[in-house]
Amino acid sequence: GAVVSQHPSWVICKSGTSVKIECRSLDFQATTMFWYRQFPKQSLMLMATSNEGSKATYEQGVEKDKFLINHASLTLSTLTVTSAHPEDSSFYICSARDGPRGVGGYTFGSGTRLTVV
Amino acid sequence: DAKTTQPNSMESNEEEPVHLPCNHSTISGTDYIHWYRQLPSQGPEYVIHGLTSNVNNRMASLAIAEDRKSSTLILHRATLRDAAVYYCILRYSGGSNYKLTFGKGTLLTVNP
Repeated sequence: GAVVSQHPSWVICKSGTSVKIECRSLDFQATTMFWYRQFPKQSLMLMATSNEGSKATYEQGVEKDKFLINHASLTLSTLTVTSAHPEDSSFYICSARDGPRGVGGYTFGSGTRLTVV
Repeated sequence: DAKTTQPNSMESNEEEPVHLPCNHSTISGTDYIHWYRQLPSQGPEYVIHGLTSNVNNRMASLAIAEDRKSSTLILHRATLRDAAVYYCILRYSGGSNYKLTFGKGTLLTVNP
């Protein structure tokens, strides 16, 4: 089945630094990928929709200059958390869909646990 | 996105069937019903989806009410590995982004 690989699985960084998270579709092409954030004991919150070759679409309240998304190829999307602060510590998850639009399930990455100290 | 309502938690015994309900009274004709589950510290996993007819796969069955205002995910024989948060999501089939919006889901506990 479709596989989405997310890297790294966890990262600890100092406050003020930037962190890049990669999301790759291993056996299919994904023109659209999705980035979510999940705080402890809460549900997933959609941050943005990443579109290959064009600008990402951000959900309301998500700072596009802080969470930079690049979708330069059909198999890779990256999320960069810039100038990270402790409140950005969270579980970040990417997702992509393998299949015709409107049909088929979505495949999720295994997530990246970000801790900002 | 149309909203879904699920119980916060449910409990089951191992090897017994589990019926996880979901209400979606404002569903539109173009909404697919998707189910995902999330194990602790992992990304969600696709379980099943359907539009109007009941669906079966190797993981579960999805029973959809005739008026489509509710659905039930059926795990035929629960195992300890099925303990997870189960999300019922309506997926709009129109537009260009096809995003999934997660609610709070149902935390399923499976007792040995």
